[in-house]
Order: sequence, then C-alpha cells, then structure tokens
Amino acid sequence: DQQVKQNSPSLSVQEGRISILNCDYTNSMFDYFLWYKKYPAEGPTFLISISSIKDKNEDGRFTVFLNKSAKHLSLHIVPSQPGDSAVYFCAASEGGATNKLIFGTGTLLAVQP
Amino acid sequence: EPEVTQTPSHQVTQMGQEVILRCVPISNHLYFYWYRQILGQKVEFLVSFYNNEISEKSEIFDDQFSVERPDGSNFTLKIRSTKLEDSAMYFCASKESGGGNTIYFGEGSWLTVV
Repeated sequence: DQQVKQNSPSLSVQEGRISILNCDYTNSMFDYFLWYKKYPAEGPTFLISISSIKDKNEDGRFTVFLNKSAKHLSLHIVPSQPGDSAVYFCAASEGGATNKLIFGTGTLLAVQP
Repeated sequence: EPEVTQTPSHQVTQMGQEVILRCVPISNHLYFYWYRQILGQKVEFLVSFYNNEISEKSEIFDDQFSVERPDGSNFTLKIRSTKLEDSAMYFCASKESGGGNTIYFGEGSWLTVV
C-alpha cells in the first residue's frame, strides 16, 4: 500500500536550471509534508516542510508547493547546483503525537555541471 | 548544530545472534523513532517511543525487536535473533515535543546478517 509515491526514480538537470521533484499521496489524513535529501550510506537530512494549511513554503533555493485537491506536492530547487545531486525523499505524516513519517520511494537527482 | 548520533556505523553479525543498535537523540527531544531502509527500497517506519513506552509500531516490529531508553540519553534497538532479511540500514530519529513536527535522523547503522 503505497500511500506516498514518487513516480520518477531519477531526474537529470543542468547546473543553474530548475529541478522539480514530484510527490503524490493517497491518504487525505496527511497534514504535514517534508522533503529529505539523502546521500548513500547516510541518514536523511531534513530540507523543507509544509503544513496542509499552506500551499507554498520557501527557504532559500528550495520551495515546496502543496496542492491538496490533487494530493500532490512538489519541490523546486532554483538554481540547481552539482552539490544538490542526491536522492530526495518525500514524506508525510498524519500529525498527532506520534507523527510517524511515511516515505516515498525517492528520486535520484543528478545535476550536471 | 545538535544531531542524532548512532553507533555502530556498521555491524556484521551471524544469523541468530542478538544485535543492539545504539542512538543518542537530540538532547531536548522527547519523541524517538527507529526506521530502516533495506538496500534499494524506501525508508520504513519501525517504532516510535515517548514517555518511556512504545507509542506506535509497524508490522515489521515483531517480537524479535525491542526498544529501550536505559538512561537519560541513550535509545536502543535490540534484535533478539537476527535473520538474513534484517540486513538493512537502521536509522534512529527524534523530534521535540510541543508541536514540533520535523523529525531529525541520525547517520544510520548498517547491519549485515550473514
């Protein structure tokens, strides 16, 4: 049961251009969404999050957009840099005390110099 | 910047042996978690822990698994009798209380069962 889906296993972008990573979810009870960046053999590093009461959150080069009606969120990275090359995971939680995260399968981003 | 630390970074164990993975969560955090990632698969929730008890666990977290907070700083995951399919990267994570929603992860412990 894939409640959080990232349909693109990989994405290649030129340095300086925009990277757009997409994520879809099925559980309408999710109310908090996060993006994590992960290098091989390392833990996920928190990037940016958004609450379901918002439709956009921006932090430097990173912007997350949430479309609740479509159950879709996206992460925009502008401008992309070679150091952004990593696996990006979308995660969602239903809130409440536990706040356990349900992760997507990840998208490997390669930023070409 | 405060971080979640995990030991060991890598452990190789014989099938059937007990393994303990250790974690030091961020000091002012009160919610603790274990997740795992089997090679090539997604990160999966195992268990959450709050106020010295399990608050939620997944189907993966069967009787072979246990967690403990033996003192004020450590949080451990024990696998009593390891199986080949327990080979994975295990991530400890923590979250502060009071409405904080962001969960911070450690670097992971890579467990190889042979």
